[in-house]
Amino acid sequence: AQSVAQPEDQVNVAEGNPLTVKCTYSVSGNPYLFWYVQYPNRGLQFLLKYITGDNLVKGSYGFEAEFNKSQTSFHLKKPSALVSDSALYFCAVRPPLWSGTYKYIFGTGTRLKVLA
Amino acid sequence: GAVVSQHPSRVICKSGTSVKIECRSLDFQATTMFWYRQFPKQSLMLMATSNEGSKATYEQGVEKDKFLINHASLTLSTLTVTSAHPEDSSFYICSAVAALAGYQETQYFGPGTRLLVL
Repeated sequence: AQSVAQPEDQVNVAEGNPLTVKCTYSVSGNPYLFWYVQYPNRGLQFLLKYITGDNLVKGSYGFEAEFNKSQTSFHLKKPSALVSDSALYFCAVRPPLWSGTYKYIFGTGTRLKVLA
Repeated sequence: GAVVSQHPSRVICKSGTSVKIECRSLDFQATTMFWYRQFPKQSLMLMATSNEGSKATYEQGVEKDKFLINHASLTLSTLTVTSAHPEDSSFYICSAVAALAGYQETQYFGPGTRLLVL
């Protein structure tokens, strides 16, 4: 079965320190990979995506993610965390184009808490 | 660009009434829209896929007669919760996929609608 795993329910990091939010997936073929952020009582905001090409993808608000095909991972990173980065982060995977679906498979979400 | 709006942002209704939630893509045309439900501190649960001009496709376990979806145009989809009950109280989020080639892989999400059924 296809799945996306975010192994950490919560990640705590001190302001100014680098942060990593982990995501691994189990999807056949070459899927599209996404990260979204959700602030309280808000919808999801798109951060970045990997479709093809360079394994390191840069996105909004200084976030980046590294695609690792052999480890089937797509970890979200930021060199220096801000308190305002505290939010709920979702990894999502869309099966390849030939699958004929736009549906995402979501991870369970990771709550990031940046401590001042 | 790629802005999706939802209206209302919050609604409180009495049990047994129907509630309509609108999802609009403001600056792009959307061939496909999705409706999700999110429970507190949980991930998103896909309810249905809505394609312009055709019937929505519902996920297993979602009652199509209770959650009516209409995708009347390339910029508007509506979700109507019929005969709402307290257990329908939730956060409902829509998303849209652009009709434009090269942008079709990304879902853009609305801000969500908080429904409380008393």
